[in-house]
Amino acid sequence: TQLLEQSPQFLSIQEGENLTVYCNSSSVFSSLQWYRQEPGEGPVLLVTVVTGGEVKKLKRLTFQFGDARKDSSLHITAAQPGDTGLYLCAGAVSSGSARQLTFGSGTQLTVLP
Amino acid sequence: GAVVSQHPSRVICKSGTSVKIECRSLDFQATTMFWYRQFPKQSLMLMATSNEGSKATYEQGVEKDKFLINHASLTLSTLTVTSAHPEDSSFYICSASTGVGQRRAFFGQGTRLTVV
Repeated sequence: TQLLEQSPQFLSIQEGENLTVYCNSSSVFSSLQWYRQEPGEGPVLLVTVVTGGEVKKLKRLTFQFGDARKDSSLHITAAQPGDTGLYLCAGAVSSGSARQLTFGSGTQLTVLP
Repeated sequence: GAVVSQHPSRVICKSGTSVKIECRSLDFQATTMFWYRQFPKQSLMLMATSNEGSKATYEQGVEKDKFLINHASLTLSTLTVTSAHPEDSSFYICSASTGVGQRRAFFGQGTRLTVV
């Protein structure tokens, strides 16, 4: 069973601060995705990282995939209230005919104005 | 991008009744669909994986007779919660994948089920 541990579980910061969310596993994933989810809605894909050591930037968000493809981090620079939400990492493993996602435990981020 | 639509978005039902949730891929053929359950402020827990035309594969601890999944076509999967109880109240989310080699699964907007 692949498990993804996210930390911190809850994070409350002031607007303008920086933050990092971590996603760790003892298993190797073929790719890893980060999602953001708002209450009452489905998760929205932010990024997919595939190669060990890969870094992707999406405006103020920087995503990194560990060299061994077991861990990942999400760094947000100058957080804004609009960044508030539940951030989920999800590791993809090939399972038969489809790619099955294993979700991390989630990080609830609140950015205060 | 591809769109997955879930219906209904919210449903309230009485204990003992059954509720059907639909998950449709609107502009692509979904050979595989996944059903998740999510409690407030928690992550998504995979319930089952369904492939078109075959029986769903349920995760350990998920009762297949309680949560009936049907994937009769390449654009529609349904989850029926049978004899619902208050503890079945949750947020149910589906996702759809186009199949082999696809890195991405597209998520529906979720269904909030409340059993009273």
